[in-house]
Amino acid sequence: AQRVTQPEKLLSVFKGAPVELKCNYSYSGSPELFWYVQYSRQRLQLLLRHISRESIKGFTADLNKGETSFHLKKPFAQEEDSAMYYCALTNTDKLIFGTGTRLQVFP
Amino acid sequence: NAGVTQTPKFRILKIGQSMTLQCTQDMNHNYMYWYRQDPGMGLKLIYYSVGAGITDKGEVPNGYNVSRSTTEDFPLRLELAAPSQTSVYFCASSPLGEKLFFGSGTQLSVL
Repeated sequence: AQRVTQPEKLLSVFKGAPVELKCNYSYSGSPELFWYVQYSRQRLQLLLRHISRESIKGFTADLNKGETSFHLKKPFAQEEDSAMYYCALTNTDKLIFGTGTRLQVFP
Repeated sequence: NAGVTQTPKFRILKIGQSMTLQCTQDMNHNYMYWYRQDPGMGLKLIYYSVGAGITDKGEVPNGYNVSRSTTEDFPLRLELAAPSQTSVYFCASSPLGEKLFFGSGTQLSVL
């Protein structure tokens, strides 16, 4: 069965510290993976997708098929990065989400 | 450009009542979705549609119904509300089933 696992419910770091939000998946086929973010009082929105290989707001994520992972990384966290982050996987016509990780960045 | 609009934003229901959560999008997207968001559980897909006249069940469809008579609208119906349906409901649309555009959510409490 297709599944997305985010093992951490909460990740707390200080400003300037590196951040890694973990995401593992199970999928029979070639997955397409995404990171979505929900800032306080804002709508859930796409942060980045693995096929774009881009850096958004300093975040990057590399698909590791051997480890079936798609961890989200940022070298220096900012307070405005505090939000709920969801890893997601495309399954045919729909998106399957993980349970989310809340990132708290303290000043 | 409104994007995805959900109404109402908040609602309190009594057990056994019924209601319809409205969702409309003005981006001419074919794909539309309903998710529920529960603390610690992430987003669970309730129903989705790949075009007008076509709907499909997601992970947690029990207790809900949908229809897609037009491209723009994708209402979600709760027939007999139960406390387990207390949640935040999100509607989303997508041009191709990948990048999703979300509504602002409906917070529903069933007491």
